[in-house]
Amino acid sequence: GAGVSQSPSNKVTEKGKDVELRCDPISGHTALYWYRQSLGQGLEFLIYFQGNSAPDKSGLPSDRFSAERTGGSVSTLTIQRTQQEDSAVYLCASSLDHPGTAYGYTFGSGTRLTVV
Amino acid sequence: QQQVKQSPQSLIVQKGGISIINCAYENTAFDYFPWYQQFPGKGPALLIAIRPDVSEKKEGRFTISFNKSAKQFSLHIMDSQPGDSATYFCAAREEGGKLIFGQGTELSVKP
Repeated sequence: GAGVSQSPSNKVTEKGKDVELRCDPISGHTALYWYRQSLGQGLEFLIYFQGNSAPDKSGLPSDRFSAERTGGSVSTLTIQRTQQEDSAVYLCASSLDHPGTAYGYTFGSGTRLTVV
Repeated sequence: QQQVKQSPQSLIVQKGGISIINCAYENTAFDYFPWYQQFPGKGPALLIAIRPDVSEKKEGRFTISFNKSAKQFSLHIMDSQPGDSATYFCAAREEGGKLIFGQGTELSVKP
């Protein structure tokens, strides 16, 4: 597609429920990233997929968070047993990134998650 | 530990003025320094970027100044316009490709 597509754009869920957030990266982009943006805060790194390499999961805040990337394309971020502190905008980005190059990320518009 | 520190948190500038946002970093292995612009309800968009072997890069009204020895870089927006009102993020890239972002600066340009 022309850009990074994220769905849903908004999600309201009850505390304790599981949610799945989807990211469709730009076709051909080898790298895919998930970030979290809380109200008025910066972008917090969550997880990074690069080609066939093992993902960098160092930013996942707890074992309730997981992500997968199928076929090197679409990615799903899953949050189990959601808590109110999980409320944030979840941003996905993709890039042609290779170390040493200057390609930037292209972000999607994000999924606004509200846990009530 | 915050690897990229950004200031100020918010900035108000009159139309036609110069907006200046500063960032400092610790990790000398960072190899790429982009700036992103974010409008409400949208994801951040790449604005301009610089590599550490260059001291300045200019694109239109936007200029990055980079001081490698001080481990600092800044964004200058010349002739600021109300349409520039947005949140700006600096970032630095680790060798593996991951971007570390600053906390963001909310810029408001008054007409």
